[in-house]
Amino acid sequence: QKEVEQDPGPLSVPEGAIVSLNCTYSNSAFQYFMWYRQYSRKGPELLMYTYSSGNKEDGRFTAQVDKSSKYISLFIRDSQPSDSATYLCAMSFSVGGKLIFGQGTELSVKP
Amino acid sequence: KAGVTQTPRYLIKTRGQQVTLSCSPISGHRSVSWYQQTPGQGLQFLFEYFSETQRNKGNFPGRFSGRQFSNSRSEMNVSTLELGDSALYLCASSLTDRGIGELFFGEGSRLTVL
Repeated sequence: QKEVEQDPGPLSVPEGAIVSLNCTYSNSAFQYFMWYRQYSRKGPELLMYTYSSGNKEDGRFTAQVDKSSKYISLFIRDSQPSDSATYLCAMSFSVGGKLIFGQGTELSVKP
Repeated sequence: KAGVTQTPRYLIKTRGQQVTLSCSPISGHRSVSWYQQTPGQGLQFLFEYFSETQRNKGNFPGRFSGRQFSNSRSEMNVSTLELGDSALYLCASSLTDRGIGELFFGEGSRLTVL
């Protein structure tokens, strides 16, 4: 079993839809949680990070962490075709520690 | 401000050969990490360097090695290439070794082993 599980999709939604992306993890020692976005033929770019249970909002993006259930989510409101990319969750045990990535979910937002 | 630069972007090698990949971090960034990305395994951590010292190493065989120079530029080397080494190799830099996920990735070097 992988330490971080993420449904690879692909996920296809119409423009304007609310998108929900999820990851589960098995090791309760993870302390820091991140979401990266990766466009085709590009490197990943950091979208959001958090270190506590609860919600964190940034524009159309909301990151949610539930440490008791070992479950994190990323919500995208009013999705746009430009959001079409692969979304990767990542976690680390400590500040500056190596990142453990999920498999990534391929998202396609259709106009 | 220039981003993380990786060279070469694409390369093809044959089994048994060795390869060296180069990474120039963002100016002022002292920490460099390397990741391997494959369709089957996703992104996997290779190693991390800070001020020319390897601080973390992933679960890869000794054929994979790296180093960092005094100007923070980094190289990774894979010797005795195997077909399974075909992957996108990503370099990421951060300002310090204390960044919480504040990694800035390059576009990667895509290695194909025939």
